[in-house]
Amino acid sequence: QVQLVQSGADVKKPGASVKVSCKASGYTFTTYYVHWVRQAPGQGLEWMGIINPVGGSTTYAQKFQGRITMTRDTTTSTVHMELSRLISEDTAVYYCARGGSQFLEWLFDNWGQGTLVTVST
Amino acid sequence: QSVLTQPASVSGSLGQSITISCTGSIHDVNVYNYVSWYQQHPGKAPKLIIYNISNRPSGISTRFSGSKSGNTASLTISGLQAEDEADYYCSSYTNSGALEGVFGGGTRLTVL
Repeated sequence: QVQLVQSGADVKKPGASVKVSCKASGYTFTTYYVHWVRQAPGQGLEWMGIINPVGGSTTYAQKFQGRITMTRDTTTSTVHMELSRLISEDTAVYYCARGGSQFLEWLFDNWGQGTLVTVST
Repeated sequence: QSVLTQPASVSGSLGQSITISCTGSIHDVNVYNYVSWYQQHPGKAPKLIIYNISNRPSGISTRFSGSKSGNTASLTISGLQAEDEADYYCSSYTNSGALEGVFGGGTRLTVL
């Protein structure tokens, strides 16, 4: 069965960077795009970006341009999301989610368990 | 403020039907057929329940259905059950200058 397993919770100080990992299994890693979505405490879902696991090309939400980097490792079927220059408003649960087999096939059909990132002094 | 507008809350009695709207614009819902819906229970990851406006993934009850008219997509849940009580989110992508994914603000469904 399709599984996305994320790295554990993390606490960071303002100004630092955080890197969250998402290891995929149960399907051919290079067949489907992967998205990152976050959810602040008590708030709704927010799309952050998408990565093509074949070539590693990315598209990021304008809000995060310059602060976010998504990478992938095809040897371990893992996608990484790094967010820099953290502020308290970045405190959220970060999810990876499997997308479609084409860039514009816009859906999130399997989700990771979520990773809580807390930004605090 | 979310690009896609949903009611903050809806409620319905056991066995009844409810509909949740998701209103976008000519840059997203109106022109693209990639509207999807997600159910999220407290403390859990979201779950895909409708994709491409009206398609159900394998294993999703036929009580869930989706539709679209103009700028507005809708999710209908028939025969409400206690376990349907959750938050529901619509999603699409928008191309108003830059292509980005967007979500509605979410709708809390209360089953009475």
